[in-house]
Amino acid sequence: RKEVEQDPGPFNVPEGATVAFNCTYSNSASQSFFWYRQDCRKEPKLLMSVYSSGNEDGRFTAQLNRASQYISLLIRDSKLSDSATYLCVVNGYNNDMRFGAGTRLTVKP
Amino acid sequence: DAGITQSPRHKVTETGTPVTLRCHQTENHRYMYWYRQDPGHGLRLIHYSYGVKDTDKGEVSDGYSVSRSKTEDFLLTLESATSSQTSVYFCAIRRQGDEQYFGPGTRLTVT
Repeated sequence: RKEVEQDPGPFNVPEGATVAFNCTYSNSASQSFFWYRQDCRKEPKLLMSVYSSGNEDGRFTAQLNRASQYISLLIRDSKLSDSATYLCVVNGYNNDMRFGAGTRLTVKP
Repeated sequence: DAGITQSPRHKVTETGTPVTLRCHQTENHRYMYWYRQDPGHGLRLIHYSYGVKDTDKGEVSDGYSVSRSKTEDFLLTLESATSSQTSVYFCAIRRQGDEQYFGPGTRLTVT
């Protein structure tokens, strides 16, 4: 079993839609959680950290469920520019960061 | 902009040849990382450094070595490249907490 698992998608949604991604992790001792965004043939860029109480940044909301060991990312009012691959990142058993394989999102006009 | 550059950005090399990739940072961060990214696997850690001359192995370190003689430079060497090392290589630095910021990547093809 992979340490961090994501639904690969692709998710194809119309502009203005709300879309949610989930990510599960296996290390119950993990303390750090992030969502990154990666555009095609580019480097991953930090989208947001995920805090225990949940956090919001504009149209983006991240939540952590420690009991079920998953994190989620909600995107409201999707824009064409949100089209990208979203990577879930969790610190792993050796305290290094473990990346999910990513979920691809395409927002269509 | 995280102040990280990687060179070369693209390289094609033959099986069995040595290859060195360079990562350069301008912000004096202590921690630096090398990852590879392959379809279906996400990013996997190859090696990391926690200071000058201080390095450690990651998840997929076989066939790779690293060196860090200056804070700003972290080198990744493939002693004898194999086709399985065809990949995109990303360097990263760590800022506050565990937040990592990535360089633009190097596309390596081993023929």
